Order: sequence, then structure tokens, then C-alpha cells
Amino acid sequence: ETGVTQTPRHLVMGMTNKKSLKCEQHLGHNAMYWYKQSAKKPLELMFVYNFKEQTENNSVPSRFSPECPNSSHLFLHLHTLQPEDSALYLCASSQAGAIYGYTFGSGTRLTVV
Amino acid sequence: QKEVEQDPGPLSVPEGAIVSLNCTYSNSAFQYFMWYRQYSRKGPELLMYTYSSGNKEDGRFTAQVDKSSKYISLFIRDSQPSDSATYLCAMSPDNYGQNFVFGPGTRLSVLP
Repeated sequence: ETGVTQTPRHLVMGMTNKKSLKCEQHLGHNAMYWYKQSAKKPLELMFVYNFKEQTENNSVPSRFSPECPNSSHLFLHLHTLQPEDSALYLCASSQAGAIYGYTFGSGTRLTVV
Repeated sequence: QKEVEQDPGPLSVPEGAIVSLNCTYSNSAFQYFMWYRQYSRKGPELLMYTYSSGNKEDGRFTAQVDKSSKYISLFIRDSQPSDSATYLCAMSPDNYGQNFVFGPGTRLSVLP
């Protein structure tokens, strides 16, 4: 593992379900990020947390709800998703202001049916 | 115009070939340039980074930045089957992760 652990690795959910993605980092970083990766598209930044405070929300629909209870854990709560939300969701962490130490997890492959 | 453009491939080369991967960009404010490698079913991992213009070499990998042309390259010498992956370029105007802009990635296959 890279030091950033994401669970579950795969998730299939119906459009009316509620589920959560979990990310945990063991690197002592103080910034955490959620990205969406769709086929043949660039990584899309969704949310940023610096020192547990949300500092960025890139016009993400409200059906995605992040939570950062401490600097080591990050959640993405999902509800009433659409099929177009199917993608690989990646968590990353870094020291705030130190982009070279950016570390990604292996991602959660989400399929919305 | 997309902010960062990258040929998606797939690019197939024989083992031992020299591989050239490229990105072009439109924002002249970008100062930090990175290359990530992403294996199948894994997250991206940082491969190379450079600040401003110039070349940087690390083993079989060389990163080049030409800011005047808004063009960056990653060269892989003596390519190996283990280099088969998707390569993402990323760039940022500053040192903050939330300002990264990624290219869509080039899928590379090195055939034994």
C-alpha cells in the first residue's frame, strides 16, 4: 500500500442507495483530497481539506457529501447518485503547500446501476 | 481549448524502444510540472517533477519543460514491459495541491 488506504475497492449501488467511501492516510499529512477519474478524462478535483477544514468545493453536486473528522480520515458520503457518477474515486493526501509529496490511494471503483 | 492536452494513445512500442510522451498547455502561469504513472487498478504515483523550464533526469526517465512553447515531455529509455501503464502529466501555477491541472493520460504498452 502507498500509505493512503481506500475502502471499499469496488462498490455497486443503486440510484436510491446511500453509501460511504473511506480514506485513511498514515503519512502524517495535513491536507486531503477527493478526485473523480472517468475514462479518457482528466482527474477532476472534487473537495479539498486542509487541517480538517474544507477549503475547496469544485461545484460538486450535493449528492456527494464529504466529511473529514480528523487529519487522517476522509469520507465521501453518496446518496441518490446517477449512472454518470460511475467512475474511479481517488483520495490523495499531502503536506499543505508541498505538492511533490502528493500521494494517491488505489481508489474505489464505483458503479451506479 | 482544454487547459492541458495529452494524446490518449494507446501507444504500443517494442521492449527497448525510446518512448516520448508529451503534453501541451495553454496557461502560461504554470510553474510546476509533474509526471505521474498509473498502473491498472492503482492510483497515480509521482514519477518526475520539475520547476520552471529545463531538463531533469532520473535513471531511464527524462523530463523536459519548454515554457516558451508550453510543451512538456517525458522520455523513457530502454523501455520495459513493466513500464506499461497510463502516464498523466500535471501542472500547477503554485505549490498548492488544489491548483493541480491534470492531462487525461496516455496509455502505454511495452511489448516483450
